[in-house]
Amino acid sequence: AQSVTQLGSHVSVSEGALVLLRCNYSSSVPPYLFWYVQYPNQGLQLLLKYTTGATLVKGINGFEAEFKKSETSFHLTKPSAHMSDAAEYFCAVSEPTNAGKSTFGDGTTLTVKP
Amino acid sequence: DGGITQSPKYLFRKEGQNVTLSCEQNLNHDAMYWYRQDPGQGLRLIYYSQIVNDFQKGDIAEGYSVSREKKESFPLTVTSAQKNPTAFYLCASSRRPTNEKLFFGSGTQLSVL
Repeated sequence: AQSVTQLGSHVSVSEGALVLLRCNYSSSVPPYLFWYVQYPNQGLQLLLKYTTGATLVKGINGFEAEFKKSETSFHLTKPSAHMSDAAEYFCAVSEPTNAGKSTFGDGTTLTVKP
Repeated sequence: DGGITQSPKYLFRKEGQNVTLSCEQNLNHDAMYWYRQDPGQGLRLIYYSQIVNDFQKGDIAEGYSVSREKKESFPLTVTSAQKNPTAFYLCASSRRPTNEKLFFGSGTQLSVL
């Protein structure tokens, strides 16, 4: 069994400020972890993923996330927010054998203030 | 360009009616999936198919049906048994079932008249 908890359904930052979106997971097996971004009325786009190996993963648009097994966390960060980062972000966990059966968090809406 | 096409973008269902949502991919992916998204919630898996002519129920399959007669197509039927069908429906695919990257379509918003 697996689950995902995204802390904070809404996060607001100023343009140029640090973005931190929190994700904690539980999984009975070593997990695959993902962050997806969704713009209004669109599908999801993969930002980054952790499968094995290096625990700090870099994704598109300047985002990165660090897998911390001891904390069961996979928080998403970006050093400097841009207006175009405003969107909904989803953290997901899956078992290695079937990434399509991912379990998604409830999402965090990121607002970027000018 | 390769991708996943969902149609229609908006769909309205009358009471007691079955409706079918289309999902087509030209990525040559083996696996396809249907998710339901409700406001303020994450995605929930309805059905998935790892290969042509085979599919399995996800977490919330009741009131839905699918077919996978062709590799590129995975239509979802929302039947009259689904009492709360209003949601945003997303189709996704992956190159293989074990492949970690999902590609998503742009979704279909289904509403009840």
